[in-house]
Amino acid sequence: GAVVSQHPSWVICKSGTSVKIECRSLDFQATTMFWYRQFPKQSLMLMATSNEGSKATYEQGVEKDKFLINHASLTLSTLTVTSAHPEDSSFYICSARTFLAGRLISSYNEQFFGPGTRLTVL
Amino acid sequence: KQEVTQIPAALSVPEGENLVLNCSFTDSAIYNLQWFRQDPGKGLTSLLLIQSSQREQTSGRLNASLDKSSGRSTLYIAASQPGDSATYLCAVRNNAGNMLTFGGGTRLMVKP
Repeated sequence: GAVVSQHPSWVICKSGTSVKIECRSLDFQATTMFWYRQFPKQSLMLMATSNEGSKATYEQGVEKDKFLINHASLTLSTLTVTSAHPEDSSFYICSARTFLAGRLISSYNEQFFGPGTRLTVL
Repeated sequence: KQEVTQIPAALSVPEGENLVLNCSFTDSAIYNLQWFRQDPGKGLTSLLLIQSSQREQTSGRLNASLDKSSGRSTLYIAASQPGDSATYLCAVRNNAGNMLTFGGGTRLMVKP
């Protein structure tokens, strides 16, 4: 099936620094990528939706100037947490979707999830 | 706004039991519904996807049903094994957009 990777898988940083997380679709072109955040023992909360080549759409309550999303190509989206603080510590998961039906891709717009990135801000 | 609820939040069963996980959603105008498995500290693994026109999907020991009109889905796990221990998440995609709305998950522990 379609594979989505994330890098890094785990990052620890000092408060005030910026952290960039990459999300890549390895064997398909992702027209849309989604970024989720998951706090311990809680479910996934959608942060933003990004379409290749256009600005991301952020969910209510998510600061777009703090969580910068770039979707410059059909296989890569990045999430940059700017001036990270301890309350930003969380598990960040991306997912990718394509409208292109093909050998690997369902025609039902299925989302494929990355393995997640654990961010710890000290 | 779509809301998804999963019951129970946690479940512990002995190995070999058949079990049912429940998912309910408030807006029945869904496009599809998906069940995922998440191991601790890991990403999501898609288990089953049911289109709004379908009633159920099966994969191995897993069977997911969908009753769109009543806003419910169930995930049936037959002959549970310790390796089934994980958090199971239900998510729905509605017609208005393409985002997935997740339930809170059910944390399953299967004891040997």
